[in-house]
Amino acid sequence: AQSVTQPDIHITVSEGASLELRCNYSYGATPYLFWYVQSPGQGLQLLLKYFSGDTLVQGIKGFEAEFKRSQSSFNLRKPSVHWSDAAEYFCAVGARNNNDMRFGAGTRLTVKP
Amino acid sequence: EAGVAQSPRYKIIEKRQSVAFWCNPISGHATLYWYQQILGQGPKLLIQFQNNGVVDDSQLPKDRFSAERLKGVDSTLKIQPAKLEDSAVYLCASSLEVGQPQHFGDGTRLSIL
Repeated sequence: AQSVTQPDIHITVSEGASLELRCNYSYGATPYLFWYVQSPGQGLQLLLKYFSGDTLVQGIKGFEAEFKRSQSSFNLRKPSVHWSDAAEYFCAVGARNNNDMRFGAGTRLTVKP
Repeated sequence: EAGVAQSPRYKIIEKRQSVAFWCNPISGHATLYWYQQILGQGPKLLIQFQNNGVVDDSQLPKDRFSAERLKGVDSTLKIQPAKLEDSAVYLCASSLEVGQPQHFGDGTRLSIL
């Protein structure tokens, strides 16, 4: 079964600084990959997804992620962080033949003024 | 388009009591999921429906948890009797079909006293 590791439990960045959140996955074939964001007291909102094709995917709110098969990674990036980006971020991996999606434990992002 | 609706938003019960959660997915979404999200962890899939049939309930504690999706639309998740370790946020999600991105509701926060 697939699995996801998010090595960073908590990250703090200054507003305007760049951001990279790490995600490593384990799956025997080419996976479906997702990044979700969760604000306090709310459900998860899809930021972006990778199914196939271009390995650099663009998402909402200025986020992007790059699928690197050789490193089994799907890191999330944003060039300039806004205070409103403070939230919990979850990476998820899904299988192509079903929807058994596994989530990482999440990375909490704090944005300093 | 209206999102996934869940109710109640919050529920406090004592251990050994029963509780039920309700979910109304996005119109036209055939696949519905229930997740359990314990504080500090990513969501864990409890059960997946395709229309009104169960696709995957391998992680559902069937001795105390039950779920149904009558007529392939709304769904209810029940816990009876509740244990302290059931304290979590219960998230409902839906997707057009298996393999497509999932859309999440805001969840029900359950506290067991």
